[in-house]
Amino acid sequence: DVKVTQSSRYLVKRTGEKVFLECVQDMDHENMFWYRQDPGLGLRLIYFSYDVKMKEKGDIPEGYSVSREKKERFSLILESASTNQTSMYLCASRENARSGNTIYFGEGSWLTVV
Amino acid sequence: GQQLNQSPQSMFIQEGEDVSMNCTSSSIFNTWLWYKQDPGEGPVLLIALYKAGELTSNGRLTAQFGITRKDSFLNISASIPSDVGIYFCAGQRHTGKLIFGQGTTLQVKP
Repeated sequence: DVKVTQSSRYLVKRTGEKVFLECVQDMDHENMFWYRQDPGLGLRLIYFSYDVKMKEKGDIPEGYSVSREKKERFSLILESASTNQTSMYLCASRENARSGNTIYFGEGSWLTVV
Repeated sequence: GQQLNQSPQSMFIQEGEDVSMNCTSSSIFNTWLWYKQDPGEGPVLLIALYKAGELTSNGRLTAQFGITRKDSFLNISASIPSDVGIYFCAGQRHTGKLIFGQGTTLQVKP
């Protein structure tokens, strides 16, 4: 089974803090994704990475950056956390973008910025 | 970003009833995916559809890839309390880009 692990399930951070959300997958997948999920807004793509050292902006990249130094790990960084970044963050991975491959999600990280 | 039109937004049904939800789009997809998200957890893949017209079952769940490639539906038969959650559809293009529906929240009354 595919395992996507998000290191922190629940975090509380102060406004202005730098926040790291870590995600690891164990299936040698090329593609990794970060989404945020908010009530009424569904899943919104923040950043994605098609392979190690590669990154692409999603639909809502402002206020976020990412790092993919190793294939199995994709980190989401909030340089200076703000209260409007309080949300549930979901990491996901996929073998590659070819047809027939599906995306698998981690359990989610609940971030509260106070 | 673009999202799929998923309906209904929410459903409150009696245990034992059948459930139907669908997703539509103005553009075509190569793959349709259906996920379920339990409260406080990440979405879990239920069914993946890869061909237009394909009908696939997973226990009490049945999903179909619309013949026009622009829509998909998910049916749940004989609902039970543990079916509670949010159901998401997702369409994947040939480029690999994924578009998600906004979710259908299902509540089941015992």
